[in-house]
Amino acid sequence: IQMTQSPSSLSASVGDRVTITCRASQGISNFLAWFQQKPGKAPKSLIYAASSLQSGVPSNFSGSGSGTDFTLTISSLQPEDFATYYCLQYHSYPLTFGPGTKVHIK
Amino acid sequence: EVQLVESGGGLIQPGGSLRLSCSASGFTFSAYTMHWVRQAPGKGLEYVSSISSNGGDTYYADSVKDRFTISRDNSKNTLFLQMTSLRAEDTSVYYCMKDDGFDYWGQGTLVTVAS
Repeated sequence: IQMTQSPSSLSASVGDRVTITCRASQGISNFLAWFQQKPGKAPKSLIYAASSLQSGVPSNFSGSGSGTDFTLTISSLQPEDFATYYCLQYHSYPLTFGPGTKVHIK
Repeated sequence: EVQLVESGGGLIQPGGSLRLSCSASGFTFSAYTMHWVRQAPGKGLEYVSSISSNGGDTYYADSVKDRFTISRDNSKNTLFLQMTSLRAEDTSVYYCMKDDGFDYWGQGTLVTVAS
């Protein structure tokens, strides 16, 4: 299963609403996770099962979608949210990650 | 507190072998599928391999199939990745990751394949 993400990068300001899209090459139901990664750090899990927020993740993060099309939304971008975001399908092996979306400061 | 600590990385010549370990604590290791994920310098995340909770099922990315072997020792709460026939393109930080929401990752161990 191939995963694509769009955009590959974006520039945004603090307080902006940001939406990142992930698309699967075939239906994966809701077996989709989102991760945030900052330079030099291990990825951090944000969302699993397409829309379930990990414990401790701020509520301004949300996920939606099912089948082939998914979105990660940051409702109000905070300074600590500037990072790279990856989706992961775990419907079937081999697991596959999206190529990532880098969120820059405008 | 859940902890995953990788070790075993280093500089290795092309064609060589290396064994990575991931020591787990703070959860019932034997109950969870575990994964290896890698990240080449400046690149995105790449799936490597997975192993079921009892070790009976294993899965690999095409890029490492027949060269890497995943295993686990549930009595020692440790996950392994045996890597052989290493290539320059295997140079990456290797992370172990817990299944069930993928909520925990190790800090990573760097493998550099170069002569």
